Amino acid sequence: DTGVSQDPRHKITKRGQNVTFRCDPISEHNRLYWYRQTLGQGPEFLTYFQNEAQLEKSRLLSDRFSAERPKGSFSTLEIQRTEQGDSAMYLCASSLGPVTAEKLFFGSGTQLSVL
Amino acid sequence: QKEVEQNSGPLSVPEGAIASLNCTYSDRGSQSFFWYRQYSGKSPELIMFIYSNGDKEDGRFTAQLNKASQYVSLLIRDSQPSDSATYLCAVAQAGTALIFGKGTTLSVSS
Repeated sequence: DTGVSQDPRHKITKRGQNVTFRCDPISEHNRLYWYRQTLGQGPEFLTYFQNEAQLEKSRLLSDRFSAERPKGSFSTLEIQRTEQGDSAMYLCASSLGPVTAEKLFFGSGTQLSVL
Repeated sequence: QKEVEQNSGPLSVPEGAIASLNCTYSDRGSQSFFWYRQYSGKSPELIMFIYSNGDKEDGRFTAQLNKASQYVSLLIRDSQPSDSATYLCAVAQAGTALIFGKGTTLSVSS
C-alpha cells in the first residue's frame, strides 16, 4: 500500500494557460474522487469515478474542467484557460468501495497558483 | 442542497481539557459520518467514523451521532498541543461522495 499519489505537488501558471494534474490511487481502490480546497474552507467535491466511469460531477466543475480515468487506474484533472479563482489545493482521494462503508484516503494534493 | 455546518472557531482549550466539536447536516438520508483532522498544509486524515446513533469511542476520541437531531459531535479527552488542527466533519449518502463542512480550528495551549 503506497498511498494515494499526486503529481505535481505545486504548480504555478499564468492566467489563461492550461494545466493537468495526475492522481494515482491506492492500487485496489475502484473509486477515485477529486476535491478542491481553498484557505479556510473544507474540501469541495468536484467529481468521482467508479473504475473508468465518471459517476457524479459537481456544479463547481465548469466546462473548463475535465477529468478522466482511463482503464480505471490513474486519473487526470485538466483545467483549461485558468483563472485566478482556480488557485486552490486540488485533492485526490480513493476508496475501496462506496464511502458509506469504506474509508476515504487522500493524497498530498496539488497546490495550484494562477498568476 | 446538501449542507454540513460547523462552527469555524477557533476553539481554544487548555492542555488536558476536553474539546467538544459539533456538526449539523441537512440531509436526513445521510448514512455515514466522519471526522477528519487536517494539519496546516497537509491533507485530511480520517480519525473517526460512525454509522449508528449513540457514541463510539476510540482512545481519547469519542464520536456521537443523533440522527433525529441531524447532529454529530467529536469529543477529544485529555487534549494535547499536538491535537491543534482543523477538524472536518463529513457526511455521506449512498451512491455519493463525501460532503465536508468548512472545519473547526482547534487550538490546545500548554
